[in-house]
Amino acid sequence: NAGVTQTPKFQVLKTGQSMTLQCAQDMNHNSMYWYRQDPGMGLRLIYYSASEGTTDKGEVPNGYNVSRLNKREFSLRLESAAPSQTSVYFCASSEEESYPYGYTFGSGTRLTVV
Amino acid sequence: AQSVAQPEDQVNVAEGNPLTVKCTYSVSGNPYLFWYVQYPNRGLQFLLKYITGDNLVKGSYGFEAEFNKSQTSFHLKKPSALVSDSALYFCAVRDPYNTDKLIFGTGTRLQVFP
Repeated sequence: NAGVTQTPKFQVLKTGQSMTLQCAQDMNHNSMYWYRQDPGMGLRLIYYSASEGTTDKGEVPNGYNVSRLNKREFSLRLESAAPSQTSVYFCASSEEESYPYGYTFGSGTRLTVV
Repeated sequence: AQSVAQPEDQVNVAEGNPLTVKCTYSVSGNPYLFWYVQYPNRGLQFLLKYITGDNLVKGSYGFEAEFNKSQTSFHLKKPSALVSDSALYFCAVRDPYNTDKLIFGTGTRLQVFP
């Protein structure tokens, strides 16, 4: 019963490098989300996917791209990392039928860009 | 636009005393409201929700929250705090007629002292 799995857990990048954060859920949820968490700013939505094959921008999409590879997987890509992207990134999923329970979150990826 | 505010960055309380973590919201319709808790280096965990019905909702770990429509508030409460309740607490809101996304507050750090 894994829920939402994120990899890697920690990453250090140099400015300008690229990387992909992976997220997979095993609950057969339709909707998946990427948030970033910064001190004093709470969680801000980067991108979300309401169903396989669809993605939409959230509150802070600049500098990021996403891919909904299939129903299980939703990846977040930083093409050219910047120090402002230093943050903790959380993936989440939800399903309308179980929506009253809100989202299920992964354990996060702590990213540092130097 | 929907929004949620947590006016306190930190709440300090002695073990055994009652605690309250405040949350106010703004949505155009009837809100879905949630509380999540985050322990260090972990993802967010669902605590409780209000969708409809009784204004007092009970959740995990002895927490409860009261929905007050006239004051647009959804404060989290617990009659007797434990040191193990020390964590970061997030309030979240969804307008069911406007979007399927959750909007999170900035979080309140609860510190329970022995």
